[in-house]
Amino acid sequence: AQTVTQSQPEMSVQEAETVTLSCTYDTSESDYYLFWYKQPPSRQMILVIRQEAYKQQNATENRFSVNFQKAAKSFSLKISDSQLGDAAMYFCAYRSGETGANSKLTFGKGITLSVRP
Amino acid sequence: NAGVTQTPKFQVLKTGQSMTLQCAQDMNHEYMSWYRQDPGMGLRLIHYSVGAGITDQGEVPNGYNVSRSTTEDFPLRLLSAAPSQTSVYFCASSRGAGGEWETQYFGPGTRLLVL
Repeated sequence: AQTVTQSQPEMSVQEAETVTLSCTYDTSESDYYLFWYKQPPSRQMILVIRQEAYKQQNATENRFSVNFQKAAKSFSLKISDSQLGDAAMYFCAYRSGETGANSKLTFGKGITLSVRP
Repeated sequence: NAGVTQTPKFQVLKTGQSMTLQCAQDMNHEYMSWYRQDPGMGLRLIHYSVGAGITDQGEVPNGYNVSRSTTEDFPLRLLSAAPSQTSVYFCASSRGAGGEWETQYFGPGTRLLVL
């Protein structure tokens, strides 16, 4: 079974600075997808960024980028130029890409990010 | 295009009562799932469906039933509510055909309190 670990329960960053959120995962599969979801106080789950395991290039979405280290099974999220609206809980998630696999997402426990003005 | 919708937003039940949490999507997605979110636990899969007429259990299925009679709807039923089912429930869907379609989209959540 796959597991996702987010070992830091809370982090804080100064507005306009950069912060990195850590995530590690364990799997024996070679084909999979990794995601970061953001959950603001509204509780809506918002997709931030995704990474396909077969792609060596790290995904980037505006101020959000990932550092995907497949051999180390590490998938960290970097937020540049942090804004007050980035304050939220962030979840790392894994999804199998194997043929016949269901659509199940395995989530980490999340990290609460606060942004200081 | 409403995406994934859930009703109700908030519900209070007494122990032993039954209720159905509604979920609907208008994106013609084949895959639909129910998760529950508890403090310090992340989101855990309750049940999922890979298409109309097909459902299966997830990580924490006990106390919940599902059915999928149409592509659009995936209701979650609590037959006899227990305080341990107090949680926030999320419905999600994805096209599920591989590649970019593997991304799941979530509804706004239903907060359930069982007394």
